[in-house]
Amino acid sequence: DTGVSQDPRHKITKRGQNVTFRCDPISEHNRLYWYRQTLGQGPEFLTYFQNEAQLEKSRLLSDRFSAERPKGSFSTLEIQRTEQGDSAMYLCASMVGLAGHEQFFGPGTRLTVL
Amino acid sequence: AQKVTQAQTEISVVEKEDVTLDCVYETRDTTYYLFWYKQPPSGELVFLIRRNSFDEQNEISGRYSWNFQKSTSSFNFTITASPVVDSAVYFCALGVYNFNKFYFGSGTKLNVKP
Repeated sequence: DTGVSQDPRHKITKRGQNVTFRCDPISEHNRLYWYRQTLGQGPEFLTYFQNEAQLEKSRLLSDRFSAERPKGSFSTLEIQRTEQGDSAMYLCASMVGLAGHEQFFGPGTRLTVL
Repeated sequence: AQKVTQAQTEISVVEKEDVTLDCVYETRDTTYYLFWYKQPPSGELVFLIRRNSFDEQNEISGRYSWNFQKSTSSFNFTITASPVVDSAVYFCALGVYNFNKFYFGSGTKLNVKP
């Protein structure tokens, strides 16, 4: 399978715990994006990497959220001290470097904070 | 400000009927791309079509056609509906800032009945 993969697919955690999600993009894609999607809404941009550099972060991304892409390949998104409002689907997408191409999305990680 | 509005929350049509999904966007950028994505019940977003801001030529591709009008900031998408493959949520998206960020609408749920 050469698509975007995400792990885990589902995560249930208790409020206050830390969680980490992983995204493996399509291998030749140097652009990587994280989104959050809540029920009945479209994907909401969180952050963007070009290779290992984090070039854009949403103002919605509080200091409890951090993302890395250490070698320009896979990426991780960590949420510290989770809150019930963090419950959502977290989507990863990758894209080739040339502007004008489409994003390829992974299946997402569904987070439930109890 | 960048924004995408999909005013239609949910539409129901009968198989083989043409249905148009509306998308209105806001941006001050002169260079941008518009996209339509489909999210079937399985959850993974799938790319359908794209158009750049310099190309207002409308096209037909199989059961799909799209109408891009800069004068009204609209990028509407028409499908000749098939129940099995077309029942899904459809998202319109705007790509700006050299594709460092994307903005998605809230989606239109399309129900196609046999």
